[in-house]
Amino acid sequence: EAAVTQSPRNKVAVTGGKVTLSCNQTNNHNNMYWYRQDTGHGLRLIHYSYGAGSTEKGDIPDGYKASRPSQENFSLILELATPSQTSVYFCASGTGKSAETLYFGSGTRLTVL
Amino acid sequence: AQRVTQVQPTGSSQWGEEVTLDCSYETSEYFYRIFWYRQLFSGEMVFLIYQPSFDTQNQRSGRYSVVFQKSFKSISLVISASQPEDSGTYFCALSELITNTGKLTFGDGTVLTVKP
Repeated sequence: EAAVTQSPRNKVAVTGGKVTLSCNQTNNHNNMYWYRQDTGHGLRLIHYSYGAGSTEKGDIPDGYKASRPSQENFSLILELATPSQTSVYFCASGTGKSAETLYFGSGTRLTVL
Repeated sequence: AQRVTQVQPTGSSQWGEEVTLDCSYETSEYFYRIFWYRQLFSGEMVFLIYQPSFDTQNQRSGRYSVVFQKSFKSISLVISASQPEDSGTYFCALSELITNTGKLTFGDGTVLTVKP
């Protein structure tokens, strides 16, 4: 069974603090993605990666960095968290072929006070 | 640029009824796919079905099917014999094959409530 695991499930951070959200996949997929979902809206792409060592900007990358140290792990980093980054963050993995679905983690709820 | 629009923020049905959820999209590409996902109340995203742009046949998967109107850039998800367990938020998402990145562009979703 394909699996994408995110940690933590919930996080409360202070404005200006550094936040790291982690994602691990056991699907052996080349591509990984970070999305955010704001209440009442769909998912928006922040960063994605084609494989270890690669990161690419998505549609809303400002204020975020990403790191892909290995095939399995993909992190999203908020160097200076702001209240506008309060959201639910989803990680996903995929083969990279647009014909195929993505597999999503369960989400991380981040609150920045 | 691609865009996906779901104009129905909410929908409802009675147990056993057929439900139709609408989606429209914008893309300049010829080859693309439209995916449908359901988001459970836990937040989990569940893949339901997809329609390739080059396939004129409407796709079906179990109780899910789509009505694809390519010339109108419109696609509807049809759920037959709806059940209370089908309640949740349904998202339409576009993937453009030319980029082959696997990226999805999502609509804002439709919250469906199926009443017993």
